[in-house]
Amino acid sequence: DAMVIQNPRYQVTQFGKPVTLSCSQTLNHNVMYWYQQKSSQAPKLLFHYYDKDFNNEADTPDNFQSRRPNTSFCFLDIRSPGLGDAAMYLCATSRALSNQPQHFGDGTRLSIL
Amino acid sequence: QKEVEQDPGPLSVPEGAIVSLNCTYSNSAFQYFMWYRQYSRKGPELLMYTYSSGNKEDGRFTAQVDKSSKYISLFIRDSQPSDSATYLCAMRSGAGSYQLTFGKGTKLSVIP
Repeated sequence: DAMVIQNPRYQVTQFGKPVTLSCSQTLNHNVMYWYQQKSSQAPKLLFHYYDKDFNNEADTPDNFQSRRPNTSFCFLDIRSPGLGDAAMYLCATSRALSNQPQHFGDGTRLSIL
Repeated sequence: QKEVEQDPGPLSVPEGAIVSLNCTYSNSAFQYFMWYRQYSRKGPELLMYTYSSGNKEDGRFTAQVDKSSKYISLFIRDSQPSDSATYLCAMRSGAGSYQLTFGKGTKLSVIP
């Protein structure tokens, strides 16, 4: 089935040690998003790619970076994770048209030691 | 005032009950309205997607949008234990806007 796949499902890293989360999609959608979701909170958009165009949210910390090498893959890099970055990270995709809904992967739960 | 308000619950109902979940919003530019279901340790799953005011039905689920009152609802008929999850409302303005504004989610438990 076409879907949004996130790897790994669970990631543990040390304070300050760079970590990369990955997302792939078989939906052939133009737009890919990264969200951060903390416990009992709404997902918070970090940034999105429209094709190769990167769009950063104004309040996304510089510690968070993203790469999209091709249509199917998108990566979230956290350069120096702090304890406050422990969260579920969700990848989503949508077609380019703004009237299309977003489809989410199952997320990567990141823990910081 | 937050852009989207959603009662976090928790909401507990007996199996077979009709469930009503609601969100209010303040931004009159919102035109697209969604309900997502999120099981524990999983990503949000799109349940319903509506444009502007009106009703949309899909099986046991009905979504209502009242733009004049800035109020949206999700009704679940004949609720099942498998409906136990957190329900997130989300909305977006029109052309050129990709950003979703979410409610904080309502945690629903359906008791057998």
